Amino acid sequence: GAGVSQSPSNKVTEKGKDVELRCDPISGHTALYWYRQSLGQGLEFLIYFQGNSAPDKSGLPSDRFSAERTGGSVSTLTIQRTQQEDSAVYLCASSTAPLAGGRVTGELFFGEGSRLTVL
Amino acid sequence: GNSVTQMEGPVTLSEEAFLTINCTYTATGYPSLFWYVQYPGEGLQLLLKATKADDKGSNKGFEATYRKETTSFHLEKGSVQVSDSAVYFCALLSNFGNEKLTFGTGTRLTIIP
Repeated sequence: GAGVSQSPSNKVTEKGKDVELRCDPISGHTALYWYRQSLGQGLEFLIYFQGNSAPDKSGLPSDRFSAERTGGSVSTLTIQRTQQEDSAVYLCASSTAPLAGGRVTGELFFGEGSRLTVL
Repeated sequence: GNSVTQMEGPVTLSEEAFLTINCTYTATGYPSLFWYVQYPGEGLQLLLKATKADDKGSNKGFEATYRKETTSFHLEKGSVQVSDSAVYFCALLSNFGNEKLTFGTGTRLTIIP
């Protein structure tokens, strides 16, 4: 597609249930990021993929959170045994390959986010 | 660690007013600096960037200058429009091999006709 696509756009779940959030990045973008946006907070980094590997997963808040990326394209963020504090907007962004010399550009293309509400 | 501090919002201005949204950062070395904007109902998008000291990023009438001596990257616009109403995020990218953007908390701007 033309932009980063995320689904579902809205998810309401009960505490303790598992949820899966999907991100379809811009075709050809090798870098993929997940961020979390909570009310009154900035964007909190969760995980970064380059291709199918995740060189930086330092932002995942607990072992209930995991993410994978397959085929260098679609990524899924899974939250197990959801808690109320997991309620937030989960944002996915993609970016082109790193510059020569290995650095990413910092120019990210964001999806509209998946709003998660845990009751 | 890296951090970005933004002016607290919300900010409400009248159309054609002058806008400044303050942003300061803490980082080692020489980060790249960015402003992202989130319009209502849309995803964040890059507004402008600067990659080294004294660079000025500009787009859509907005400007920001990378000031290393004051570790700042304030966003300015001379005459705002209703269509500029959005949430603005300042961000940095470290040059120490850390591949993630660090964002500020965002500043909500509302322009009144």
